[in-house]
Amino acid sequence: KAGVTQTPRYLIKTRGQQVTLSCSPISGHRSVSWYQQTPGQGLQFLFEYFSETQRNKGNFPGRFSGRQFSNSRSEMNVSTLELGDSALYLCASSRGSGGVETQYFGPGTRLLVL
Amino acid sequence: QKEVEQNSGPLSVPEGAIASLNCTYSDRGSQSFFWYRQYSGKSPELIMSIYSNGDKEDGRFTAQLNKASQYVSLLIRDSQPSDSATYLCAVNDSGGGADGLTFGKGTHLIIQP
Repeated sequence: KAGVTQTPRYLIKTRGQQVTLSCSPISGHRSVSWYQQTPGQGLQFLFEYFSETQRNKGNFPGRFSGRQFSNSRSEMNVSTLELGDSALYLCASSRGSGGVETQYFGPGTRLLVL
Repeated sequence: QKEVEQNSGPLSVPEGAIASLNCTYSDRGSQSFFWYRQYSGKSPELIMSIYSNGDKEDGRFTAQLNKASQYVSLLIRDSQPSDSATYLCAVNDSGGGADGLTFGKGTHLIIQP
């Protein structure tokens, strides 16, 4: 079974730009969660989508948004990029929502904001 | 603020010995507990999940859960150099997933040949 895929793998943007990241979950998984990983803060929860609905949201500003499509693929968008948004963005898929079931991570998108 | 605490290390263990990794969590209602391994520059990969008090064994790995003490541990027997990585403890929240998984900052494990 194919794993979680994320595109692109690497991105370089400048401050003020916006970016869209994509995630395709494992086949049959309906939940996609997004995390931001930085050396200082570690892994932090951004939001979770389940059946095209945002179920949960972490403590991030409104510049961070996402959506999920009917095939469970998900995108996240960051508008008005700031230097501090440089991070590894990880998506994880699971069969159910709420963090009860195992989440499987994709390879991540490494974003550098200059 | 839900918290998951891990000793950042580095934890240095000789090859062939047992590596013991520990994690405490603050949300008493948490139900699901996970250990992930993350190699430098890679994404986390699942090692073990545990949901009930006690021990759960999978090959060289044993996860231990004590909900009364809010404590989770991971033992790695017969440690190999390939086990050198950062180990992340993750805990779900008791509020239906409103906070997603909460991760500790990880323990950096070094297996010395």
